[in-house]
Amino acid sequence: AQKVTQAQTEISVVEKEDVTLDCVYETRDTTYYLFWYKQPPSGELVFLIRRNSFDEQNEISGRYSWNFQKSTSSFNFTITASQVVDSAVYFCALSERNYGGSQGNLIFGKGTKLSVKP
Amino acid sequence: DTGVSQNPRHKITKRGQNVTFRCDPISEHNRLYWYRQTLGQGPEFLTYFQNEAQLEKSRLLSDRFSAERPKGSFSTLEIQRTEQGDSAMYLCASSSSGSGGNEQFFGPGTRLTVL
Repeated sequence: AQKVTQAQTEISVVEKEDVTLDCVYETRDTTYYLFWYKQPPSGELVFLIRRNSFDEQNEISGRYSWNFQKSTSSFNFTITASQVVDSAVYFCALSERNYGGSQGNLIFGKGTKLSVKP
Repeated sequence: DTGVSQNPRHKITKRGQNVTFRCDPISEHNRLYWYRQTLGQGPEFLTYFQNEAQLEKSRLLSDRFSAERPKGSFSTLEIQRTEQGDSAMYLCASSSSGSGGNEQFFGPGTRLTVL
């Protein structure tokens, strides 16, 4: 069965600290996609990144970086020099292959609530 | 605004009543998804359309739930004979089948409270 585990329920840091959010996934597919979404207090899920299973290069976007390691089935997310505006719930998700063979619905982890204090 | 929109944003109803939610996807997206999110949990998949065809339904989608996307554009999700356990945020997302990796964009959600 496909599954996404975010073991950290809540993390609290002080502004300017670096923080890493962990994500471990399970799948039997050889082709899959991994995602991170941010859900701020307003509630709307905001897409952050998508990675496919064939691309293990780390990615950096401003203060955000992602470390994808197939060997450990992990897709971790690091925020460098955190800011109060980063406070949100962050979800890791795995794209499930649907009956037709293409990528279908997303399977989400339970999320990690990040609080960044000034 | 060209994002995903959902109406209403909030709905309070009494147990046993029927409710209907609407989702308008990003116009060029042919795929539309419904998810449900309860407090402290991640979104859970309910059902998915490609154009007007409903291609998958989760076992979470009981017989009281029905979804339609009659012209391949907007979609409605109806819950009949609501129960208190139906209280949740109902999220709609859309994507393009041509995007390969199925990057989904979410609407603001409809928060349902069943009294």
